[in-house]
Amino acid sequence: GAVVSQHPSWVICKSGTSVKIECRSLDFQATTMFWYRQFPKQSLMLMATSNEGSKATYEQGVEKDKFLINHASLTLSTLTVTSAHPEDSSFYICSASQGTGVSNQPQHFGDGTRLSIL
Amino acid sequence: KQEVTQIPAALSVPEGENLVLNCSFTDSAIYNLQWFRQDPGKGLTSLLLIQSSQREQTSGRLNASLDKSSGRSTLYIAASQPGDSATYLCAVRGGSNYKLTFGKGTLLTVNP
Repeated sequence: GAVVSQHPSWVICKSGTSVKIECRSLDFQATTMFWYRQFPKQSLMLMATSNEGSKATYEQGVEKDKFLINHASLTLSTLTVTSAHPEDSSFYICSASQGTGVSNQPQHFGDGTRLSIL
Repeated sequence: KQEVTQIPAALSVPEGENLVLNCSFTDSAIYNLQWFRQDPGKGLTSLLLIQSSQREQTSGRLNASLDKSSGRSTLYIAASQPGDSATYLCAVRGGSNYKLTFGKGTLLTVNP
């Protein structure tokens, strides 16, 4: 149980393109979803947290107009990288939890999306 | 600001060996600690979750301990197998926004 599906797993596109990444919780209701970015051999860095039906909370230094997050339902969140440039190339991972705030529930992660901007 | 450190950064062992991975964190005011496994180019698989009130959790050949007061956790892997080769990440949940803070991970290689 507790499966998180992320799509696409890999995308290559030209500079200036907008790219949408989907994150779905397949067998549970995800009250909270998280988006992370990971550079090679580095930790996961939290970009934003979203609760269903609310605006996402972005971490310091993350441009909300650049990385648009929508959490429209309890099973789906999307991250759109607008006007992507080569420096946006990275590994993006979503995560979902059944809890909010101080949660005893573990976070479950998708398989990630490798984004390469040419 | 919470900081999570994992030692060693990389570890190579022969198959069958028991091993310990270490995780330390600077702010002991945590709600829980989670150990994950990450295969190359993949997302994270949750291995064990230890609540702040707990001392250890076990799942199969894995045992994780937590000493919150000293800011330390260990992940013990018994009878290691080549399939255990992966990066193991430690993460703590704490702070006013309850977010997970990750270490950089330990890259484990189990040689047949």
